[in-house]
Amino acid sequence: EVQLLESGGGLVQPGGSLRLSCAASGFTFSSYAMNWVRQAPGKGLEWVSAVSGSGGSTYYADSVRGRFTISRDNSKNTLYLQMNSLRAEDTAVYYCAKDAFSGGSCSDYWGQGTLVTVSS
Amino acid sequence: DIQMTQSPSTLSASVGDRVTITCRASQSISSWLAWYQQKPGKAPKLLIYKASSLESGVPSRFSGGGSGTEFTLTISSLQPDDFATYYCQQYNSYANTFGQGTKLEIK
Repeated sequence: EVQLLESGGGLVQPGGSLRLSCAASGFTFSSYAMNWVRQAPGKGLEWVSAVSGSGGSTYYADSVRGRFTISRDNSKNTLYLQMNSLRAEDTAVYYCAKDAFSGGSCSDYWGQGTLVTVSS
Repeated sequence: DIQMTQSPSTLSASVGDRVTITCRASQSISSWLAWYQQKPGKAPKLLIYKASSLESGVPSRFSGGGSGTEFTLTISSLQPDDFATYYCQQYNSYANTFGQGTKLEIK
């Protein structure tokens, strides 16, 4: 059974940093690209970042490029999102999501989400 | 970036109704479109991929269509469990984008 378990969310002040983790199990982690998708309170879904299966290619939404860094440790089956220079508008539930297919894809499995609140 | 526009934003319907949600892309995305269902406090659930392929385990009352820039999600006979918010997503490139969502409410 595929499982994705996010952790690392919490309350942080504007300008601060946070690192999210997503522990994966139940599939060959290194074979699939992984994504972070966020949802601000009461709002829609926003794709944030993606990383290829090898970790060699990374992609970012314009809203986070230069502030967030996605990475993965295939030996630990874990996905990360390092978030720096956080702003109030980064407040959201952050989901990790597994690509359904190789080569750029939609997401067939999602974690339960972790809440990040940026506030003073 | 490719923009995705869903309509309507809110849809009121009754159990047993047939409903259709539309999603338009700002440029052609071939058939690289997915539909998700999301319930309050839960993660999205994949319903349809590649515009018209039904994800395993999803009831056959859900169907998708379209290509290029215009796509539809149809629920043939609404069930009580179907009242939720639906999102389209284009994955023509790694920079995926979602529509703004359609909330399906009970009339």
